[in-house]
Amino acid sequence: AQSVSQHNHHVILSEAASLELGCNYSYGGTVNLFWYVQYPGQHLQLLLKYFSGDPLVKGIKGFEAEFIKSKFSFNLRKPSVQWSDTAEYFCAVNLGSNYQLIWGAGTKLIIKP
Amino acid sequence: DVKVTQSSRYLVKRTGEKVFLECVQDMDHENMFWYRQDPGLGLRLIYFSYDVKMKEKGDIPEGYSVSREKKERFSLILESASTNQTSMYLCASRRTTGDSYEQYFGPGTRLTVT
Repeated sequence: AQSVSQHNHHVILSEAASLELGCNYSYGGTVNLFWYVQYPGQHLQLLLKYFSGDPLVKGIKGFEAEFIKSKFSFNLRKPSVQWSDTAEYFCAVNLGSNYQLIWGAGTKLIIKP
Repeated sequence: DVKVTQSSRYLVKRTGEKVFLECVQDMDHENMFWYRQDPGLGLRLIYFSYDVKMKEKGDIPEGYSVSREKKERFSLILESASTNQTSMYLCASRRTTGDSYEQYFGPGTRLTVT
């Protein structure tokens, strides 16, 4: 069955540190890729998405992600995190033209001030 | 701005009760979704609807049903609530723009079944 793996369930960083959250999927066909964020007490919102074109995607709040097809990966990065980035981050994959998104388990990120 | 609203933020129900969770979106989106979110499991799709009166089962439909009588409203029904249905329930609607799309989420309903 297709699946999405987020390698780290909890990540703790200090402000100004660089961030990379891993996301791998198991599917060999065409995929559409998403990163969503859920700030404490708020609804899920889209950070960025990849459908086609440049595999380096820039999103909101300084986040970016790189689609590496050969590695089945879509890792999320930010060069310098802030306390306000404390949140849970979810990777999701859509397989071709299917309506469904397959979600990773999420990574809780805590930024120490 | 797209707005997805859910009828309750918190709900406490007893085992065996019939529970209705309502979701409304204001952007004329065709596709709507119900998920449950549990710690360490991410989001799991319960049902989705690609148009009025159309529905498809997701990964975990057992114990749930849905209703979509109007485009803007998608209801999730727990026919006979059980304690293992205690969870956060998220509704989403999907906007398609050309070849791209994204889901917009409501604030969630935290349901406790006692």
